[in-house]
Amino acid sequence: ETGVTQSPTHLIKTRGQQVTLRCSSQSGHNTVSWYQQALGQGPQFIFQYYREEENGRGNFPPRFSGLQFPNYSSELNVNALELDDSALYLCASSLASAETQYFGPGTRLLVL
Amino acid sequence: RKEVEQDPGPFNVPEGATVAFNCTYSNSASQSFFWYRQDCRKEPKLLMSVYSSGNEDGRFTAQLNRASQYISLLIRDSKLSDSATYLCVVNCNAGGTSYGKLTFGQGTILTVHP
Repeated sequence: ETGVTQSPTHLIKTRGQQVTLRCSSQSGHNTVSWYQQALGQGPQFIFQYYREEENGRGNFPPRFSGLQFPNYSSELNVNALELDDSALYLCASSLASAETQYFGPGTRLLVL
Repeated sequence: RKEVEQDPGPFNVPEGATVAFNCTYSNSASQSFFWYRQDCRKEPKLLMSVYSSGNEDGRFTAQLNRASQYISLLIRDSKLSDSATYLCVVNCNAGGTSYGKLTFGQGTILTVHP
């Protein structure tokens, strides 16, 4: 196992609601990246946090936001949920921002 | 054009077969290359990194051609347990910034049957 954990494992929300997903990085890793994986697609990069600062962002709207805490765990927040936000949300941790990334088991979000 | 393109398959092969997956990428500034494996309803797991000199790990061989922006994965003597989706992944430290953004292909589905 990678040592990366995510919670919750599954979540059901309705359109317009807000959601917070959590990720604990592998011990010693200071970088967390978040990805969205729609059914049948590869993961898409949302953003990365390095030492508590956002360190790069993909093509996602501002209603996708995040945080990284001093212990390097991280949160992904999504506001005003849309049906298309239904996906597997993956976080990955790495020792430094450019090193190999190790994925957690993901949170499966369903928006109704 | 997608940044990383793969043939989605599916590839259906018998046990013992040799199968090859190909991938192309569009960003010539890409710096690191990987193959990840993803089992159904699970997270992606690193299979191997890919180097210009080519690298081998048991039954798996990966190749990178930077000039053609082409990556390949060869699996020899396929096992039932090799059935999974194989993701071609490119890491680009864009524009001099320090971060590494993993860009994934769509994935190639492999089913190995008895």
